[in-house]
Amino acid sequence: NFMLTQPHSVSESPGRTVTISCTRSSGNIVNNYVQWYQQRPGSAPTTVIYQDHQRPSGVPDRFSGSIDSSSNSASLTISGLKIEDEAAYYCQSYDSSNVIFGGGTRLTVL
Amino acid sequence: QITLKESGPTLVQPTQTLTLTCTFSGFSLNIPGVGVGWIRQPPGEALEWLALIYGDDDKRYKSSLRGRLTITKDTSKNQVVLKMTNMNPVDTGTYFCAYKTMAVSEVRFDPWGQGTLVTVSS
Repeated sequence: NFMLTQPHSVSESPGRTVTISCTRSSGNIVNNYVQWYQQRPGSAPTTVIYQDHQRPSGVPDRFSGSIDSSSNSASLTISGLKIEDEAAYYCQSYDSSNVIFGGGTRLTVL
Repeated sequence: QITLKESGPTLVQPTQTLTLTCTFSGFSLNIPGVGVGWIRQPPGEALEWLALIYGDDDKRYKSSLRGRLTITKDTSKNQVVLKMTNMNPVDTGTYFCAYKTMAVSEVRFDPWGQGTLVTVSS
């Protein structure tokens, strides 16, 4: 099984840009789509990015996703940070047998 | 509109078997590619995928829990059931079911149920 490693926490000021990384331990990250979920306390996760870089309807274009094959990682970038973006963010991918979530990154906007 | 809702006991004793039911609407679980997954989250910790069942009845389990998990579906009732045997206090957490989108080439969960908190304690 592979793992997805995320930073435990990040913090940034309102209006700034933050990038959260998600590194796949084995297997090529480009072979299976990466999703990003936002989870606010007490709520179920919701999708902010799917298929590496696609945004669901209703998710602002301040959210973007990308893949870097050289580092075997995915990234979630949030620009123009708002207080309401404060949440936990999880990356998720899969292979033929397993579904894997990253350990989550707590974003603090202060 | 797709909705899912989890139901089951809030308290389970150690060594008992947990049975959770996911009741869904807005889709049919007999279409290839469509699926329902179970994901759990210990208090204050990360999400952990447990199991996935597809419309063709194909099943996937988290390898480290394979011997303890059973996932089944009842398409006539629009329900998916997860059983986990030999429950332990470390299994305490919120259990979510979620819709696996239809695209065969991806595994993505959207939307999710609200989750149900299960506590394992004597």
